[in-house]
Amino acid sequence: QVQLQESGPGLVKPSETLSLTCTVSGGSISSYYWSWIRQPPGKGLEWIGYIYYSGSTNYNPSLKSRVTISVDTSKNQFSLKLSSVTAADTAVYYCAGKLELHYWGQGTLVTVSS
Amino acid sequence: DIVMTQSPDSLAVSLGERATINCKSSQSVLYSSNNKNYLAWYQQKPGQPPKLLIYWASTRESGVPDRFSGSGSGTDFTLTISSLQAEDVAVYYCHQYHTIPLTFGGGTKVEIK
Repeated sequence: QVQLQESGPGLVKPSETLSLTCTVSGGSISSYYWSWIRQPPGKGLEWIGYIYYSGSTNYNPSLKSRVTISVDTSKNQFSLKLSSVTAADTAVYYCAGKLELHYWGQGTLVTVSS
Repeated sequence: DIVMTQSPDSLAVSLGERATINCKSSQSVLYSSNNKNYLAWYQQKPGQPPKLLIYWASTRESGVPDRFSGSGSGTDFTLTISSLQAEDVAVYYCHQYHTIPLTFGGGTKVEIK
C-alpha cells in the first residue's frame, strides 16, 4: 500500500519561498507521475504541477514562474518550492501519486503571514 | 484551460435514494488514440484528503462500494450514488487529467435530507 506524507514549515513569511517534501513509502517513486495540489481553506482544489520519476515536469501556467518540483529517487521523495509567496498562497498542500491521483498524502496547512 | 463545471453545487438526498452529480468539461477529455476519457471523481470528507472513487470516467477504484458509478464521454459526465448512505455525506469533485493544466470542478456537496 503506497503512502505519502508531506513535511515542511507550516508558516512562511510573505515574499519568502515555501518548501515542502513528500515522502513515498510502500512503493517506489521510480514510476508514475507525482503531483502537488493545494486547497485554500473552505475552497476547491488547484493542481500546482507534477513530475515524472524521470524528472520531466509540467506546471500550472498560473504558477509556473514561481514553482519548482524536483524528485530524489534515492530518498523516495519529491519536493515543491513556491517562491515569492503572498497570503493568497495560504492553503492545505497535498502531494499525490499517479496521473489519476490514486494516492494522496494527508495534506499540510501552510499559512503565509508575517 | 479546460473548465470543469459541476452541477448542482449542493444536493440533499434521503437515505437509500439516488444521488446524481453532473460534470461538464469545456473541451473533450476523450483521447481518440486509446478511446479513454481522462476524467476522475473524488470524494472529500471534512479534514481529509480527497479519495479517488472513479477514473477513466467509469472504472471504480478498488475498495469503492459498487453503489458508486461513473458514466459519460467526451464533455458530459455523471457520478451516481445508487443508494445514499450516511457515510456518503461529503463534497465530490470531478477532475480532468487530459490537458495541462489539470483542472477540477468546483465541487458538489451531498447531504442527507
